[in-house]
Amino acid sequence: SYELTQPLSVSVALGQTARIPCGGDNVGNKDVHWYQQRPGQAPVLVIYRDTNRPSGIPERFSGSNSGNTATLTISRAQDGDEADYYCQVWDGSLVLFGGGTKLTV
Amino acid sequence: QVQLQESGPGLVKSSETLSLTCAVSGASINSYDWTWIRQPPGKGLDCIGHIYYSGGTNYRSSLKSRLSISVDRSKNQFSLQLTSATAADTAVYYCARVSGAGIDYWGQGVLVTVSS
Repeated sequence: SYELTQPLSVSVALGQTARIPCGGDNVGNKDVHWYQQRPGQAPVLVIYRDTNRPSGIPERFSGSNSGNTATLTISRAQDGDEADYYCQVWDGSLVLFGGGTKLTV
Repeated sequence: QVQLQESGPGLVKSSETLSLTCAVSGASINSYDWTWIRQPPGKGLDCIGHIYYSGGTNYRSSLKSRLSISVDRSKNQFSLQLTSATAADTAVYYCARVSGAGIDYWGQGVLVTVSS
């Protein structure tokens, strides 16, 4: 079955750029969505279909997807960006999530 | 504004049935696909099944023998039933709406603890 691989943790200095990778076999051929989950809260969609931001999501959040890696990029990182981030694709007919990455600012 | 609200017992005895309902407002349940996602304490997200606007369903293979997802169109809600619950089913359960642009609306989640 298909798998998505994320690092357990990523650290970024305040105001710098964080990049969170999501690896999968030819993931560039799939639509990847990204979610932010703050402690005790439900996940929130921050990027859909590789590169698109839902309304209300800051422009600091961007995405890319090519080859075997999709990447969520957070520019000018803020304290409020500290959260768990999950990538997601469709695996056949079921939603599949990566294991999640804890971003520390 | 689309809102989803999970409801159901927060404590279930081992070997009994875990039942949850998701009430949807601001969108017709007939027009979208819907899903149940769970998150064991301290762990990641796991989608356990979908119900499509057509009424068709799809379940995670490891749960197929125990899981049922149904829809009540008159109440604009959908439900989950997981039989023979064990401690491994202890998790926060989220209901959510699925679209071509990802999972765009989520419930707040409900913690269900399975205890002996």
